[in-house]
Amino acid sequence: GAGVSQSPSNKVTEKGKDVELRCDPISGHTALYWYRQRLGQGLEFLIYFQGNSAPDKSGLPSDRFSAERTGESVSTLTIQRTQQEDSAVYLCASSLASGGYEQYFGPGTRLTVT
Amino acid sequence: KNQVEQSPQSLIILEGKNCTLQCNYTVSPFSNLRWYKQDTGRGPVSLTIMTFSENTKSNGRYTATLDADTKQSSLHITASQLSDSASYICVVIYGNNRLAFGKGNQVVVIP
Repeated sequence: GAGVSQSPSNKVTEKGKDVELRCDPISGHTALYWYRQRLGQGLEFLIYFQGNSAPDKSGLPSDRFSAERTGESVSTLTIQRTQQEDSAVYLCASSLASGGYEQYFGPGTRLTVT
Repeated sequence: KNQVEQSPQSLIILEGKNCTLQCNYTVSPFSNLRWYKQDTGRGPVSLTIMTFSENTKSNGRYTATLDADTKQSSLHITASQLSDSASYICVVIYGNNRLAFGKGNQVVVIP
C-alpha cells in the first residue's frame, strides 16, 4: 500500500514569507508526528497528533510554527515569517497508534529560506 | 548534553567488513529503543525495535543489542555492502511516549 507522502518535496522561500507543508499519513494510522532535521544534525521532534486528543506541541521551537490535523487524515505544518534558521528537512511520520508502534516516515520536505 | 549519544559520529569501512555502532542514552523510564537507517535524501526506515526484555534482535545482516541496565545499545552490521552507506539513527522512547533522538552514525562503505 501507499506509504507516507509529503509535499512539496522541495520548497525555496524568501525570508519573512509563510510556508505550508503537507503530510498524508498511511490510511488508518491514528498517530502522526512532525520532525525537523537540520543539515548534519539529528531529528528534532516538533509536534505529535494522536487521534482526537490534544496534540503534543512541546517540540515547536517558536509561535511561528503551528500544525493542524483534520481527524486522522492530512496534516499541515505552517511556518510563519520564515527565518533562515528554519532551513531544514521537515519529516512526517505516522503509526497505527502511539507508544511502541512502528513509525513510518515520509520522504520529507526540504525547506530553504533565502 | 544530548540525551542520546551515538558513536562513532562517522565511519568508513571496506565492503565485506563488519562494524558496530554504539548508542548510549540517559532518559528514563525506558519504553523501547529503535534503530533507523536513513539514506541520503530519504526518510528514516526502521531496522529494529527493542523492548526492555530483549537483549538481541536481528534483521538480516543487522543485529541490535540492548543492555537496559547500562543504558547502552549497539547495532552490528555484518558483511557490509555498498548499500549500507547511510546514517543510522538511535531513537529511545521513554516516559509518556516521549522520543529522544541521537544525531546518527554516518557510515560510508567503500569498495
